[in-house]
Amino acid sequence: GQNIDQPTEMTATEGAIVQINCTYQTSGFNGLFWYQQHAGEAPTFLSYNVLDGLEEKGRFSSFLSRSKGYSYLLLKELQMKDSASYLCAGRGNDYKLSFGAGTTVTVRA
Amino acid sequence: DAGVTQSPTHLIKTRGQQVTLRCSPKSGHDTVSWYQQALGQGPQFIFQYYEEEERQRGNFPDRFSGHQFPNYSSELNVNALLLGDSALYLCASSSQGALYNEQFFGPGTRLTVL
Repeated sequence: GQNIDQPTEMTATEGAIVQINCTYQTSGFNGLFWYQQHAGEAPTFLSYNVLDGLEEKGRFSSFLSRSKGYSYLLLKELQMKDSASYLCAGRGNDYKLSFGAGTTVTVRA
Repeated sequence: DAGVTQSPTHLIKTRGQQVTLRCSPKSGHDTVSWYQQALGQGPQFIFQYYEEEERQRGNFPDRFSGHQFPNYSSELNVNALLLGDSALYLCASSSQGALYNEQFFGPGTRLTVL
């Protein structure tokens, strides 16, 4: 199984940058995912990392360090619509996806 | 292209009853996973179906069972409902042949057990 830890809440101002950290402990590792979930809605896929380094996708970037069991999601140029829960999920060699409890990001004007 | 669909949207049951939730995967997807998400928590893996067989299972009791049909759609059955089964049940589909094999989630079924 896997243990995924991420902060519960973060608050930032519109236009700012926020970094959501995630640490994981795995027995086998086959990728780290980030999902965005707005209240009352389904999670939507944001990013996937399986090799060390930074993956950039527009305003969102995700970083992975396998040796440290660490990932972060970077949200740039924050917009009000970015207010949501961000879920870090690790996939083991058994292809099970284990989610953290989610980080609620609140963007203020 | 329709995404993942689930039915019903909401459901209210009483303790001891049984419930069946349904999921149709995204077009081209062959694998269906089910998750339980309690309020304020991340989704918890229940099980995964591929080629009409349960391939992986999380830490859920045997009261939780499922099925996958030849058209890849799936059902989740929960027997002898408990108050603690109240949650959002999410279905996610994926394709074994996809680059990341990422999962696409349906809108979920909100189950309330009274």
